[in-house]
Amino acid sequence: EIVMTQSPATLSVSPGERATLSCRASQSVSSNLAWYQQKPGQAPRLLIYGASTRATGIPARFSGSGSGTEFTLTISSLQSEDFAVYYCQQYNNWPPGGAFGQGTKVEIK
Amino acid sequence: EVQLVQSGAEVKKPGESLKISCKGSGYSFTSYWIGWVRQMPGKGLEWMGIIYPGDSDTRYSPSFQGQVTISADKSISTAYLQWSSLKASDTAMYYCASSRGDYVDYFDYWGQGTLVTVSS
Repeated sequence: EIVMTQSPATLSVSPGERATLSCRASQSVSSNLAWYQQKPGQAPRLLIYGASTRATGIPARFSGSGSGTEFTLTISSLQSEDFAVYYCQQYNNWPPGGAFGQGTKVEIK
Repeated sequence: EVQLVQSGAEVKKPGESLKISCKGSGYSFTSYWIGWVRQMPGKGLEWMGIIYPGDSDTRYSPSFQGQVTISADKSISTAYLQWSSLKASDTAMYYCASSRGDYVDYFDYWGQGTLVTVSS
């Protein structure tokens, strides 16, 4: 089973600054990696799939990169609505038991 | 517009059974996989299982195999997650989500979640 590890657990960022979130897979997942955003009391929302393709309606300030085992989600200029928890998910391998990373909380500095 | 609407919050006692639902609309319900994801209080997301309503092909994560049952009724565009005997550790938010690809794929649309509380 692939294990997804996100870092850091918490990221403190000021509005307008850049945020860089990392996700590492215990073995290669090719480019089969998605990112989700979850705000308090809400369901997760798909941001990125295929490691770098933005989902419909996602602002251009969100970008994803990486392949294999190392992935990055970058938020170029944090807006107030971007403070949330972000999860990565691999969808390359079965079983998907460890599909999701443990999450990175982006909080206001 | 694709929508997944889940049934309301439930409060149950240990040992009771439960079936929660997820109704899809705005797309061909039989053409997308519907998965279930657990989120325990204050914790992260866990992939439970997935069903293809077109032919009821169902896959379970090993961690949840035998613990829950996933089903679907394509005549009413609804997927279900059920327990035969709840435990306190089943207390969590449960999300359904759609996947347009294979049974291992990303989830593009999510339901609003169903909170299940199991307490004596």
